[in-house]
Amino acid sequence: SAVISQKPSRDICQRGTSLTIQCQVDSQVTMMFWYRQQPGQSLTLIATANQGSEATYESGFVIDKFPISRPNLTFSTLTVSNMSPEDSSIYLCSVEGVNEQFFGPGTRLTVL
Amino acid sequence: GNSVTQMEGPVTLSEEAFLTINCTYTATGYPSLFWYVQYPGEGLQLLLKATKADDKGSNKGFEATYRKETTSFHLEKGSVQVSDSAVYFCALTVNTGGFKTIFGAGTRLFVKA
Repeated sequence: SAVISQKPSRDICQRGTSLTIQCQVDSQVTMMFWYRQQPGQSLTLIATANQGSEATYESGFVIDKFPISRPNLTFSTLTVSNMSPEDSSIYLCSVEGVNEQFFGPGTRLTVL
Repeated sequence: GNSVTQMEGPVTLSEEAFLTINCTYTATGYPSLFWYVQYPGEGLQLLLKATKADDKGSNKGFEATYRKETTSFHLEKGSVQVSDSAVYFCALTVNTGGFKTIFGAGTRLFVKA
């Protein structure tokens, strides 16, 4: 199994600002995933981040809005840029295990 | 394409009632199937999984059987408790050149004392 931590756990931000969310895993992993869970909704994959290459974004998500870094095999960051109230969500980091995924506790973001 | 459909909620039950949350899927290839649970204010936790047809996943009194013939993975529990109140997500993973998990919309369960 993998233990994943995220920082911050929650934040309240002003419109137009940016927030960087950190994800730390206790073991080396090839693929890391970032998900968004809007209020009352299911999880939507934002992007897949592999170490040493650019992240792969899902339809509807772009690098300018959600830049991702993956500097090593245990760490990744997701930035939510130029935020608006529609970005208020829980953002979850995830890693691949053997036939399952492990999820971080999430970052609850509120944009005013 | 790959998709997961689960019954809409909320589902409201009395304590000790029988629970069924339906989940059906469409997938290319041979998916693994999962139920995740999200308790109020918490992150996502794996509840149970099944990786091939006829496998039964079980945990904390919950069970689900991978039914390839009906493309289903219904979640059941014989006697629910108030502490089972949460949102339950059915999900599948496929690895066809890229590992990806597809989630259902989630079903909120309320259990009354």
